[in-house]
Amino acid sequence: DAGVIQSPRHEVTEMGQEVTLRCKPISGHNSLFWYRQTMMRGLELLIYFNNNVPIDDSGMPEDRFSAKMPNASFSTLKIQPSEPRDSAVYFCASSLGTKNEQFFGPGTRLTVL
Amino acid sequence: SQQGEEDPQALSIQEGENATMNCSYKTSINNLQWYRQNSGRGLVHLILIRSNEREKHSGRLRVTLDTSKKSSSLLITASRAADTASYFCATDAGHQFYFGTGTSLTVIP
Repeated sequence: DAGVIQSPRHEVTEMGQEVTLRCKPISGHNSLFWYRQTMMRGLELLIYFNNNVPIDDSGMPEDRFSAKMPNASFSTLKIQPSEPRDSAVYFCASSLGTKNEQFFGPGTRLTVL
Repeated sequence: SQQGEEDPQALSIQEGENATMNCSYKTSINNLQWYRQNSGRGLVHLILIRSNEREKHSGRLRVTLDTSKKSSSLLITASRAADTASYFCATDAGHQFYFGTGTSLTVIP
Protein backbone atom coordinates (compact mmCIF):
# COMPACT_ATOMS: atom_id res chain seq x y z
CA ASP A 1 0.00 0.00 0.00
CA ALA A 2 1.32 3.47 -0.84
CA GLY A 3 0.10 5.00 2.39
CA VAL A 4 -1.70 8.32 2.62
CA ILE A 5 -0.88 10.48 -0.38
CA GLN A 6 -0.92 14.26 -0.23
CA SER A 7 -0.37 16.79 -2.94
CA PRO A 8 1.26 19.11 -3.49
CA ARG A 9 4.15 18.57 -1.09
CA HIS A 10 5.05 22.23 -1.19
CA GLU A 11 2.94 25.23 -2.13
CA VAL A 12 4.00 28.84 -2.27
CA THR A 13 1.33 31.35 -3.07
CA GLU A 14 0.51 34.99 -2.63
CA MET A 15 -1.96 36.42 -0.20
CA GLY A 16 -5.47 36.39 -1.58
CA GLN A 17 -5.00 33.38 -3.82
CA GLU A 18 -7.02 30.21 -3.53
CA VAL A 19 -5.17 27.14 -2.30
CA THR A 20 -6.37 23.56 -2.66
CA LEU A 21 -4.70 20.72 -0.83
CA ARG A 22 -5.44 17.14 -1.78
CA CYS A 23 -5.43 13.86 0.06
CA LYS A 24 -5.87 10.24 -0.92
CA PRO A 25 -6.44 8.04 2.16
CA ILE A 26 -5.37 4.45 2.51
CA SER A 27 -7.74 2.16 0.66
CA GLY A 28 -10.29 0.66 3.01
CA HIS A 29 -9.98 3.34 5.67
CA ASN A 30 -13.26 5.04 6.45
CA SER A 31 -12.06 7.98 8.56
CA LEU A 32 -10.07 10.94 7.32
CA PHE A 33 -8.55 13.78 9.31
CA TRP A 34 -7.06 17.14 8.34
CA TYR A 35 -4.48 18.71 10.70
CA ARG A 36 -2.44 21.89 10.68
CA GLN A 37 0.96 22.12 12.37
CA THR A 38 2.81 25.30 13.29
CA MET A 39 5.53 26.07 15.78
CA MET A 40 3.27 28.42 17.68
CA ARG A 41 0.10 26.32 17.87
CA GLY A 42 1.40 22.79 17.51
CA LEU A 43 -0.75 20.18 15.81
CA GLU A 44 -4.39 21.17 15.46
CA LEU A 45 -7.25 19.04 14.20
CA LEU A 46 -9.18 21.03 11.61
CA ILE A 47 -11.89 18.60 10.53
CA TYR A 48 -12.54 14.91 10.26
CA PHE A 49 -14.80 12.71 8.17
CA ASN A 50 -16.29 9.32 8.83
CA ASN A 51 -17.68 7.42 5.83
CA ASN A 52 -17.25 10.61 3.77
CA VAL A 53 -19.43 12.64 6.14
CA PRO A 54 -17.95 15.55 8.10
CA ILE A 55 -18.26 14.72 11.79
CA ASP A 56 -16.57 17.65 13.47
CA ASP A 57 -15.35 20.83 11.80
CA SER A 58 -15.03 22.89 14.95
CA GLY A 59 -11.30 23.20 14.37
CA MET A 60 -11.67 24.95 11.04
CA PRO A 61 -10.33 28.40 11.82
CA GLU A 62 -12.77 30.46 9.79
CA ASP A 63 -15.01 30.57 6.76
CA ARG A 64 -12.04 30.89 4.46
CA PHE A 65 -11.39 27.19 5.08
CA SER A 66 -13.53 24.46 3.59
CA ALA A 67 -13.09 20.70 3.21
CA LYS A 68 -14.83 18.12 1.11
CA MET A 69 -14.76 14.39 0.73
CA PRO A 70 -16.70 13.52 -2.43
CA ASN A 71 -15.80 9.84 -2.22
CA ALA A 72 -13.92 7.37 -0.07
CA SER A 73 -10.65 7.87 -1.90
CA PHE A 74 -10.30 11.63 -2.11
CA SER A 75 -10.53 14.73 0.03
CA THR A 76 -9.67 18.38 -0.45
CA LEU A 77 -8.94 21.24 1.91
CA LYS A 78 -9.44 24.64 0.35
CA ILE A 79 -8.38 28.04 1.62
CA GLN A 80 -9.94 31.02 -0.14
CA PRO A 81 -8.58 33.65 0.13
CA SER A 82 -5.30 32.64 1.67
CA GLU A 83 -3.47 34.80 4.21
CA PRO A 84 0.14 34.76 5.48
CA ARG A 85 -1.01 33.40 8.83
CA ASP A 86 -2.22 30.27 7.04
CA SER A 87 1.39 29.31 6.43
CA ALA A 88 1.87 25.90 8.05
CA VAL A 89 2.28 22.23 7.34
CA TYR A 90 -1.04 20.58 6.63
CA PHE A 91 -1.35 16.87 7.29
CA CYS A 92 -3.98 14.43 6.20
CA ALA A 93 -4.43 11.18 8.12
CA SER A 94 -6.71 8.20 7.70
CA SER A 95 -7.80 5.35 9.91
CA LEU A 96 -10.14 2.40 10.08
CA GLY A 97 -12.69 3.73 12.49
CA THR A 98 -12.31 7.03 14.26
CA LYS A 99 -10.81 5.64 17.45
CA ASN A 100 -7.93 3.66 16.04
CA GLU A 101 -4.42 4.22 14.80
CA GLN A 102 -4.13 7.09 12.37
CA PHE A 103 -1.81 6.92 9.38
CA PHE A 104 -0.40 10.27 8.41
CA GLY A 105 0.58 11.54 5.00
CA PRO A 106 3.87 13.37 4.41
CA GLY A 107 2.18 16.77 4.68
CA THR A 108 1.90 19.83 2.48
CA ARG A 109 4.09 22.76 3.44
CA LEU A 110 2.14 25.90 2.60
CA THR A 111 3.75 29.30 2.44
CA VAL A 112 1.56 32.33 1.85
CA LEU A 113 3.52 35.44 0.99
CA SER B 1 -8.72 23.15 26.41
CA GLN B 2 -8.72 19.35 26.52
CA GLN B 3 -5.34 19.21 24.88
CA GLY B 4 -2.74 16.87 26.25
CA GLU B 5 0.53 18.28 27.41
CA GLU B 6 3.82 16.45 27.26
CA ASP B 7 6.58 16.87 29.76
CA PRO B 8 9.41 17.62 29.39
CA GLN B 9 9.31 19.80 26.28
CA ALA B 10 12.82 18.71 25.41
CA LEU B 11 15.00 15.81 26.51
CA SER B 12 18.60 15.03 25.65
CA ILE B 13 20.17 11.69 26.61
CA GLN B 14 23.10 9.48 25.71
CA GLU B 15 22.63 6.49 23.47
CA GLY B 16 21.80 3.43 25.53
CA GLU B 17 20.02 5.34 28.27
CA ASN B 18 16.29 5.17 28.87
CA ALA B 19 14.01 8.06 27.95
CA THR B 20 10.81 8.81 29.78
CA MET B 21 8.24 11.35 28.71
CA ASN B 22 4.90 12.12 30.24
CA CYS B 23 1.52 13.24 29.01
CA SER B 24 -1.24 14.84 31.03
CA TYR B 25 -4.77 15.49 29.85
CA LYS B 26 -7.85 17.13 31.25
CA THR B 27 -10.95 15.08 30.49
CA SER B 28 -11.99 11.43 30.49
CA ILE B 29 -10.78 9.58 27.43
CA ASN B 30 -11.56 6.48 25.41
CA ASN B 31 -7.98 5.82 24.48
CA LEU B 32 -4.59 7.45 24.36
CA GLN B 33 -2.06 7.08 21.60
CA TRP B 34 1.61 7.93 21.23
CA TYR B 35 3.10 9.09 17.95
CA ARG B 36 6.61 9.89 16.76
CA GLN B 37 7.51 12.61 14.27
CA ASN B 38 10.89 12.79 12.65
CA SER B 39 11.94 16.20 11.42
CA GLY B 40 10.07 17.21 8.29
CA ARG B 41 7.94 14.06 8.22
CA GLY B 42 4.45 13.01 9.10
CA LEU B 43 3.54 11.41 12.40
CA VAL B 44 3.96 7.68 12.88
CA HIS B 45 1.79 5.74 15.29
CA LEU B 46 3.68 3.96 18.07
CA ILE B 47 1.17 2.50 20.45
CA LEU B 48 -2.46 2.78 21.55
CA ILE B 49 -3.62 2.16 25.09
CA ARG B 50 -7.29 1.98 25.95
CA SER B 51 -8.82 3.52 29.03
CA ASN B 52 -9.28 0.11 30.69
CA GLU B 53 -5.63 -0.78 30.26
CA ARG B 54 -2.83 0.23 32.62
CA GLU B 55 0.30 -0.80 30.78
CA LYS B 56 1.29 -1.84 27.31
CA HIS B 57 4.56 -2.91 25.69
CA SER B 58 5.80 -2.83 22.14
CA GLY B 59 9.43 -3.72 21.56
CA ARG B 60 11.52 -1.15 23.44
CA LEU B 61 8.46 0.95 24.24
CA ARG B 62 6.47 0.80 27.44
CA VAL B 63 3.38 2.91 27.95
CA THR B 64 1.48 3.33 31.17
CA LEU B 65 -1.87 4.96 31.73
CA ASP B 66 -3.26 6.28 35.00
CA THR B 67 -6.80 7.45 34.40
CA SER B 68 -7.20 8.61 37.99
CA LYS B 69 -4.34 11.06 37.49
CA LYS B 70 -5.20 11.69 33.85
CA SER B 71 -1.66 10.96 32.82
CA SER B 72 0.38 8.60 30.69
CA SER B 73 4.07 7.92 30.30
CA LEU B 74 6.14 6.61 27.43
CA LEU B 75 9.38 4.83 28.24
CA ILE B 76 11.92 4.09 25.52
CA THR B 77 14.54 1.67 26.75
CA ALA B 78 18.10 1.36 25.44
CA SER B 79 17.71 4.46 23.28
CA ARG B 80 19.35 4.75 19.88
CA ALA B 81 20.33 7.75 17.80
CA ALA B 82 17.48 6.84 15.45
CA ASP B 83 15.01 7.51 18.28
CA THR B 84 15.77 11.23 17.92
CA ALA B 85 12.38 12.74 17.11
CA SER B 86 9.41 14.52 18.62
CA TYR B 87 6.92 12.42 20.52
CA PHE B 88 3.26 13.30 20.87
CA CYS B 89 0.42 11.90 22.87
CA ALA B 90 -3.07 12.02 21.41
CA THR B 91 -6.26 11.70 23.39
CA ASP B 92 -9.65 10.67 22.15
CA ALA B 93 -12.65 11.90 24.07
CA GLY B 94 -15.99 11.42 22.36
CA HIS B 95 -15.79 13.03 18.94
CA GLN B 96 -12.78 15.10 19.83
CA PHE B 97 -9.16 14.30 19.10
CA TYR B 98 -6.31 16.25 20.61
CA PHE B 99 -2.57 16.08 20.20
CA GLY B 100 -0.24 17.35 22.85
CA THR B 101 2.54 19.84 22.33
CA GLY B 102 5.19 17.16 22.03
CA THR B 103 8.49 16.22 23.62
CA SER B 104 11.59 16.72 21.52
CA LEU B 105 13.98 13.85 22.20
CA THR B 106 17.64 13.98 21.20
CA VAL B 107 19.70 10.84 21.57
CA ILE B 108 23.42 11.58 21.44
CA PRO B 109 25.55 8.82 19.87
